[in-house]
Amino acid sequence: KAGVTQTPRYLIKTRGQQVTLSCSPISGHRSVSWYQQTPGQGLQFLFEYFSETQRNKGNFPGRFSGRQFSNSRSEMNVSTLELGDSALYLCASSLAEVLTIQETQYFGPGTRLLVL
Amino acid sequence: GQNIDQPTEMTATEGAIVQINCTYQTSGFNGLFWYQQHAGEAPTFLSYNVLDGLEEKGRFSSFLSRSKGYSYLLLKELQMKDSASYLCAVLSGGYQKVTFGTGTKLQVIP
Repeated sequence: KAGVTQTPRYLIKTRGQQVTLSCSPISGHRSVSWYQQTPGQGLQFLFEYFSETQRNKGNFPGRFSGRQFSNSRSEMNVSTLELGDSALYLCASSLAEVLTIQETQYFGPGTRLLVL
Repeated sequence: GQNIDQPTEMTATEGAIVQINCTYQTSGFNGLFWYQQHAGEAPTFLSYNVLDGLEEKGRFSSFLSRSKGYSYLLLKELQMKDSASYLCAVLSGGYQKVTFGTGTKLQVIP
């Protein structure tokens, strides 16, 4: 079974631009979560989708948005990019509606975004 | 709000035992995860504790005390490949909100 895939793997943008990142979960998984990882802040939760509905949202400005499609694939969008948005963006998928020891999150390889 | 603390860095010797601590403050606690993340790679699941006590899985064990807001990850018979960051994460509130600590970078030396 294929793992979580994220595209693109690397991206360079300039301040003020916008960017869209894509995540394809493991087949059959309906929950997708997004995280931002930076050296200083660690992994920070952005949002989580289940069956096309956003169930949880972290403390990020409105420039960060996302959505999930009927096939469970998810995208996140960052508008008006700032230098501080440079980070590794990780997507994780899980099967169950609620995380358990048997049904944990599986992470994708991430998209490394550099904002110049 | 939520607060998760773990040491930033640790060094241990190959073949030894190391304990990585994690303390947390959260409302609506549902469980605690430990993940391993090698440099440049995605985090991989190690363990999940819901109830108090010790969960053992091969060379790795994880302990939880909900009343103390405390967990630790114990790595035995350390190998060089165990050099990685170890992330403590708390599942709280509804559904899938997972809050991560900043991670402990473990260096295993010969």
